Amino acid sequence: KAGVTQTPRYLIKTRGQQVTLSCSPISGHRSVSWYQQTPGQGLQFLFEYFSETQRNKGNFPGRFSGRQFSNSRSEMNVSTLELGDSALYLCASSGGDRGTYEQYFGPGTRLTVT
Amino acid sequence: EDQVTQSPEALRLQEGESSSLNCSYTVSGLRGLFWYRQDPGKGPEFLFTLYSAGEEKEKERLKATLTKKESFLHITAPKPEDSATYLCAVWEDTGRRALTFGSGTRLQVQP
Repeated sequence: KAGVTQTPRYLIKTRGQQVTLSCSPISGHRSVSWYQQTPGQGLQFLFEYFSETQRNKGNFPGRFSGRQFSNSRSEMNVSTLELGDSALYLCASSGGDRGTYEQYFGPGTRLTVT
Repeated sequence: EDQVTQSPEALRLQEGESSSLNCSYTVSGLRGLFWYRQDPGKGPEFLFTLYSAGEEKEKERLKATLTKKESFLHITAPKPEDSATYLCAVWEDTGRRALTFGSGTRLQVQP
């Protein structure tokens, strides 16, 4: 079974621009979560999507948004980029069942904001 | 206030030298505790899920245990390929489906 894929793997943007990252979950998984990883803050939860609906949201500003499509693929958008948005953005998929929550991560997108 | 604390921050072992990594948590209700391994430049790789105190899981040289306040990841006779950052994360019983991660333990196993 193919794992979680993320595109692009690397991205360089300028402050003020916006960016869209893409994630394809494991086949059959309906839940997609996004995390930001930085050396200073570690892994922090951004949001979770299930069946095209945002089910949970972390403590990030409104510049961070996402969506999920009917095939469970998800996109994350960051508008008006700031230098502090430079990070590894990780997508994780899970089955979405209420009782279990194993999340499987993709390789990440390394975003550098200059 | 950190909810998930991992120790030590870094650990250097000789090949074959067994040790344990600690993950302590302070959450009101635990629905699950997860261990991941992360290699540089890659996404975390799922290792174990523990759902209740007393539960243990094993995979090759790794064994994870869970109490009501902490979890241990025991590494028996490690090899250089076990070098990585080990992350633990908790799923709290708040109705919110989100993992809270610790800052990780960087393990280096020298031949």
